[in-house]
Amino acid sequence: DIQMTQSPSSVSASVGDRVTITCRASQDISSWIGWYQQKPGKAPKLLIYAASSLQGGVPSRFSGSGSGTDFTLTISSLQAEDFATYFCQQGSSFPLTFGQGTKVEIK
Amino acid sequence: EVQLVESGGGLVQPGGSLRLSCAASGFIFSSDWMHWVRQAPGKGLVWVARINEDGTGTTYADSVKGRFTISRDNARNTLYLQMNSLRDEDTAVYYCVRDRPGDNYYMDVWGKGTTATVSS
Repeated sequence: DIQMTQSPSSVSASVGDRVTITCRASQDISSWIGWYQQKPGKAPKLLIYAASSLQGGVPSRFSGSGSGTDFTLTISSLQAEDFATYFCQQGSSFPLTFGQGTKVEIK
Repeated sequence: EVQLVESGGGLVQPGGSLRLSCAASGFIFSSDWMHWVRQAPGKGLVWVARINEDGTGTTYADSVKGRFTISRDNARNTLYLQMNSLRDEDTAVYYCVRDRPGDNYYMDVWGKGTTATVSS
């Protein structure tokens, strides 16, 4: 199975900050990675697919990059509604696997 | 509006069974792959199973293989997850999820989830 390791596990930030979350795959997954946002008590929401493609309706302050084994999700200017937990997911092979999550908290 | 609504969760004893259902609307259900994903209390997301558009192809996580069965009824626009031989560690919110059309294997539409609790 492909292991997805996210860092950091949590980050404290202020509105307007630039936030970067990283995800490392245990083997080469090309660009087969998605990023999700989950708020407490809610279902996850797809933000980014295929490493860097923005899902429809997602604000442009979210962006993704990387290929192979190292990937990043960047929020260019954090907004109040962005405080949530973020997960990466590899779509390269079954079983599909998720990172353990990164909680973005208010500083 | 594209929507997925799960039902069928509840409290069951270890070794028991549950059948989850997911009613789909607002899109052509018979054209899309579907998944079940679960999340134990306070934990991360775990992919459980997937099914192709006509139900002829399925894949399972090792942790549920032989115990869970994913199926679909395209005439009823409904996805199912039959869960047998349930264990304490199967306690979770179970999400019904659509595979993003044209880009396997990302998950673009999620239901609100249904909770399965396995406890004596």
